[in-house]
This record gives sequence, C-alpha cells and structure tokens, in this order.
Amino acid sequence: QKEVEQNSGPLSVPEGAIASLNCTYSDRGSQSFFWYRQYSGKSPELIMFIYSNGDKEDGRFTAQLNKASQYVSLLIRDSQPSDSATYLCAVIFTGRRALTFGSGTRLQVQP
Amino acid sequence: ETGVTQSPTHLIKTRGQQVTLRCSSQSGHNTVSWYQQALGQGPQFIFQYYREEENGRGNFPPRFSGLQFPNYSSELNVNALELDDSALYLCASSPGPQYGYTFGSGTRLTVV
Repeated sequence: QKEVEQNSGPLSVPEGAIASLNCTYSDRGSQSFFWYRQYSGKSPELIMFIYSNGDKEDGRFTAQLNKASQYVSLLIRDSQPSDSATYLCAVIFTGRRALTFGSGTRLQVQP
Repeated sequence: ETGVTQSPTHLIKTRGQQVTLRCSSQSGHNTVSWYQQALGQGPQFIFQYYREEENGRGNFPPRFSGLQFPNYSSELNVNALELDDSALYLCASSPGPQYGYTFGSGTRLTVV
C-alpha cells in the first residue's frame, strides 16, 4: 500500500513566525512531490512542486525533500492569517501517473 | 482564476440514482483526473484519462465510470448511488503529471 502521511494538526503559529509542515511517503522510488493549499470549502491550489533532494524556494515558501528519509516538508516564513488553511502533501508514486494525497495538515496563524 | 471548470457546483441525489458530473479542462491539458474528497480527508484518486483513454484507476468500484472527449471536457458517472458517495468531487487537469495538476472548484454531491 503506497501511502502519504501527514499530521492532521491543527498546527497553530503566531503571525510572523515560521510554520513547518511535514510529510512522509512510503515509496522510496517516488520522483515527484507537491504541496497544495486548500481553504475551507474550496478546491486544492498548487503551491509548489519539488523533484530533487534539497530545498526549493518560492517567495515565502520553501519545500524541502529528503528522498533517503522519504520525507518532504514545507516551510512558510512570515506566516500571515491568510495562510490559515489545510496543506495537502501529494506524491506521484513509481509506476503511477496520478497524485496520492495525505490527509492534510490544518494550519492556524494567530493574529 | 482556475482554467478548470466543473458543473454543477452542488447536487442532491437519492440513494440508488445515477449522476453525471462534468469538467472542462484547459486547452492543451491532455491528462484529466477525478478525485473524491470526503470531509476532513485528502482527495482520493478515482481514475485518470489521457487523450480519451483511461490510463489509471484507484480503488473505486466499476459503478464509477468516466469519459474524456476531444474538446478537453470529461465526465464522471456514478451509478447506484450510496450514502457514502456523498463527497466533494474534484476534476484536475495537467499538461503532464510532472507539472502538477490544476483543480476545478469541485461538485458537492449529497446522497440522501
């Protein structure tokens, strides 16, 4: 069973802090990793994708990938109340074309 | 603003009925996937089409079926609706899986 695991939260951080969201996956051979943001009642929105080990930065967001540990994370710097949402980690497993999602981590940024 | 549109936005059906959900994806997005999202869960993969052929299927029974058309539209059909089919149904399209998928706004299906 190929799985993606996330802590459901809620993760509560004060405004301006760094929020760290984590995800583990079961297939060591996986190559493509995605972070989606989903506001309550809305559909998922792609924030970042990462394929190589290391860090990838885009504005206030940094994705980190460690394939040896089967671990991918998302850092949000200078967190804002508007960042409050559920963050979904998704993986394209080896031999598959579709996304496999974790259950999401709910982030709350306190003003 | 998403380039993927879904209809209808909300739907109420009775157990045992059949339903068809529709999706129009972006031009050039040859891959379309359908997902089911229950409350508090991540989206679950139903099936995927590439150039009008199904090329992947998740752990859903055959009463979930679909079609993709040459004009980048697609549909999801569910027969013999069950109460547990109540969920948000999401359509997502991509020019290639390595670029990620763009999701539509979803159809909220309630089975009573």
